[in-house]
Amino acid sequence: NAGVTQTPKFRVLKTGQSMTLLCAQDMNHEYMYWYRQDPGMGLRLIHYSVGEGTTAKGEVPDGYNVSRLKKQNFLLGLESAAPSQTSVYFCASTLDSYSNQPQHFGDGTRLSIL
Amino acid sequence: KQEVTQIPAALSVPEGENLVLNCSFTDSAIYNLQWFRQDPGKGLTSLLLIQSSQREQTSGRLNASLDKSSGRSTLYIAASQPGDSATYLCAIPDNYGQNFVFGPGTRLSVLP
Repeated sequence: NAGVTQTPKFRVLKTGQSMTLLCAQDMNHEYMYWYRQDPGMGLRLIHYSVGEGTTAKGEVPDGYNVSRLKKQNFLLGLESAAPSQTSVYFCASTLDSYSNQPQHFGDGTRLSIL
Repeated sequence: KQEVTQIPAALSVPEGENLVLNCSFTDSAIYNLQWFRQDPGKGLTSLLLIQSSQREQTSGRLNASLDKSSGRSTLYIAASQPGDSATYLCAIPDNYGQNFVFGPGTRLSVLP
């Protein structure tokens, strides 16, 4: 009964490096989300997906790309990391936003860009 | 555009007190409202989900109410314990029903 699993939990990158954050859910949820959480800024939506093969931009999409090739996985990519992308990244999933099912979150990925 | 605010930003109470956290939203046409808890270094955990047709939901010592007409929800915590110390956030589906709008959270400290 894993729920939402994020990989890795911690990572330190140098400016300009690339990496991919993986989110996996085992609840057969349609909707998946990537957020970043920064002190004083709250949770901000980066990208989201309403089903396999679909992606859409959220509030702060610049510098990030996403893919949802399989329903259970949602990948967040940083092509050329910048110090401004230092943050805690959360993945979440839900059946759909109108349902009576809650949104489930992973434990986060703490990313530092030097 | 839906906006969500939470007051107070931080709250410190002695153990055993009953307390109320507030969540306000600008657009009353909502489908549901969720209350979450976030412990330091952790993700968000859903506590209660209130459907738009409901006025309140209860889980243990927690009671959440919803008043759509006034754009408000409250989370009542009875007989607070140190283990209740965390940040509490509320969230509402946005006007397009595809995303969630989160409040900034209330940081609660329950002192032994």
